[in-house]
Amino acid sequence: HSALTQPASVSGSPGQSLTISCTGTSSDIASYKYVSWYQRSPGKAPKLIIYDVNERPSGVSNRFSGSKSGDTASLTISGLQTEDEADYYCCSYAGSDTYVLFGGGTKLTVL
Amino acid sequence: EVQLVESGGGLVQPGGSLRLSCAASGFPFISHNMYWIRQAPGKELVWVSRLNSDGRPSTYADSVKGRFTISRDTSKNTLYLQMNSLRAEDTAVYFCARGIEGHAVAFDLWGQGTPVTVSS
Repeated sequence: HSALTQPASVSGSPGQSLTISCTGTSSDIASYKYVSWYQRSPGKAPKLIIYDVNERPSGVSNRFSGSKSGDTASLTISGLQTEDEADYYCCSYAGSDTYVLFGGGTKLTVL
Repeated sequence: EVQLVESGGGLVQPGGSLRLSCAASGFPFISHNMYWIRQAPGKELVWVSRLNSDGRPSTYADSVKGRFTISRDTSKNTLYLQMNSLRAEDTAVYFCARGIEGHAVAFDLWGQGTPVTVSS
């Protein structure tokens, strides 16, 4: 199994909305409802921001939302803030053998 | 405080061994699936191993199967990763993570990571 495909970088201005895509295959994203997203700021541990495609853990801002269509999952961040600058990783369940796949990560810059 | 703290990383020669530890606090350690996930320099996160809270057999990525062993000491609330026959491609920061019960690939608590370098 190859890693999930994410854009290497995205950028936006404060207040804007943007979407980060995560493309997999029929063996992972398309087949299961288990997609999660993680935010990683420099020097910090990864933080879960979305799980089960579109569920937010307690304490995560409702500016973060997730969705899925076919083999592509998406993370949308609305009302961009400078504090959102970080690397974002998607993750999908990929069956009992491979189990977990991560994306290569997307660097978000807030201009 | 609810946290995970990894330790045990370092520099090791190819073919050598290391044991990583992950000390858990602030939550019922025994009730959660626990994971090791690694990230090589400039690369994506990669799942390494899972220890099931219900006692089912642990699982491993193909790249480490037969060389790494995950275990836990519930009396110490500590997760371990015994790494043998280390290779250069095992060089990475190793994170332990907690899973949300009933939700695959939902890792809701991570440690800061411990770096492992395999080099002669």
